[in-house]
Amino acid sequence: GQQVMQIPQYQHVQEGEDFTTYCNSSTTLSNIQWYKQRPGGHPVFLIQLVKSGEVKKQKRLTFQFGEAKKNSSLHITATQTTDVGTYFCVTVGANDYKLSFGAGTTVTVRA
Amino acid sequence: DSGVTQTPKHLITATGQRVTLRCSPRSGDLSVYWYQQSLDQGLQFLIQYYNGEERAKGNILERFSAQQFPDLHSELNLSSLELGDSALYFCASSPSSSITDTQYFGPGTRLTVL
Repeated sequence: GQQVMQIPQYQHVQEGEDFTTYCNSSTTLSNIQWYKQRPGGHPVFLIQLVKSGEVKKQKRLTFQFGEAKKNSSLHITATQTTDVGTYFCVTVGANDYKLSFGAGTTVTVRA
Repeated sequence: DSGVTQTPKHLITATGQRVTLRCSPRSGDLSVYWYQQSLDQGLQFLIQYYNGEERAKGNILERFSAQQFPDLHSELNLSSLELGDSALYFCASSPSSSITDTQYFGPGTRLTVL
């Protein structure tokens, strides 16, 4: 069955620096969504990617869906303290149409 | 505020007991999802209901059950509770039955089993 790996598990970033978190699937995906969960909060939808090679931007966040639709990345530029939280990907398999969650990347920011 | 409400916010109970968690979806949403989030396991999908019917099942234990009522609110019943059931339980709602819909999460219920 589909397995989703998200790396890294933890990311400690200096304020102002960039970082990237990756979501990799063992099988082809129908689509992928990214959510953010602030400490003590609930998951909040960020973006959905559907097309092969798709790139979407939200201010300092850039989301990319791989050409093979098996992986995705979230890149944050000029990290701010408001970026603190856990970012996780949610995937739907192209063949089994099953929902899978990445374990998340927990981001802390050093001021 | 996502528009999804969950009650209670906190629940403390003892092993062996049974509890019911409640979720009201966003107005107009027909699907409700239940998730368990524990410190060591991340977010685990339990079950999805759509318009009163079970739609998809994830890693839900046999001791757990859920239902969705005609007014679309949902309840998650946890019985024979064990220490390991202590976790945050989220529900989420979405407009249709499709699992590719954006999900809107409630604030969660924190369950502590002593």
